Amino acid sequence: QQPVQSPQAVILREGEDAVINCSSSKALYSVHWYRQKHGEAPVFLMILLKGGEQKGHEKISASFNEKKQQSSLYLTASQLSYSGTYFCGTERGSGAGSYQLTFGKGTKLSVIP
Amino acid sequence: ETGVTQTPRHLVMGMTNKKSLKCEQHLGHNAMYWYKQSAKKPLELMFVYNFKEQTENNSVPSRFSPECPNSSHLFLHLHTLQPEDSALYLCASSQASLYNSYNEQFFGPGTRLTVL
Repeated sequence: QQPVQSPQAVILREGEDAVINCSSSKALYSVHWYRQKHGEAPVFLMILLKGGEQKGHEKISASFNEKKQQSSLYLTASQLSYSGTYFCGTERGSGAGSYQLTFGKGTKLSVIP
Repeated sequence: ETGVTQTPRHLVMGMTNKKSLKCEQHLGHNAMYWYKQSAKKPLELMFVYNFKEQTENNSVPSRFSPECPNSSHLFLHLHTLQPEDSALYLCASSQASLYNSYNEQFFGPGTRLTVL
């Protein structure tokens, strides 16, 4: 089942904050966040595992509510370089990773001066 | 540079052609993936190879045929495609382990495929 991302698009001025949400109707093992700039490959931002472990870039923060099967990505003090499309990928299961990600449709973030 | 390369970067082919997409990862990973990215659609997982063995095939039409000769190389063979198969095809790799739950995927730049 494809996760649902919200909002679909957001425009920020430099320095503003944003939250991108990802929700699933199925029990999740992990949530991955990626950013893709136009014409480029998706780049890993963050992975959050069931049980509280997480790994990602220092300037990126995210949360994973296992009970609600929801994750949120927090972008603070946005910079022009944050512009791009943000995808969440969800991995189902209760054990070790199945290596299968189901991606949402993406949230297009535009940061303007 | 993400350590995952794909060739060609652009491909135009007719419906009766046979072509292959190539992916190579230089990261020492043991799992590789093919994704399809169409306009206004989410990334769709097509195939997963784990330790060179295909572990997932998400109902992909047989006109797409993957091949993984070793852990560093992945091919996608294309035959008698349809115009709706036009999309960006992305390859990714990750380190799969029973002891490490972190398996972030590293993507290549993709092959932009146009089927006429």
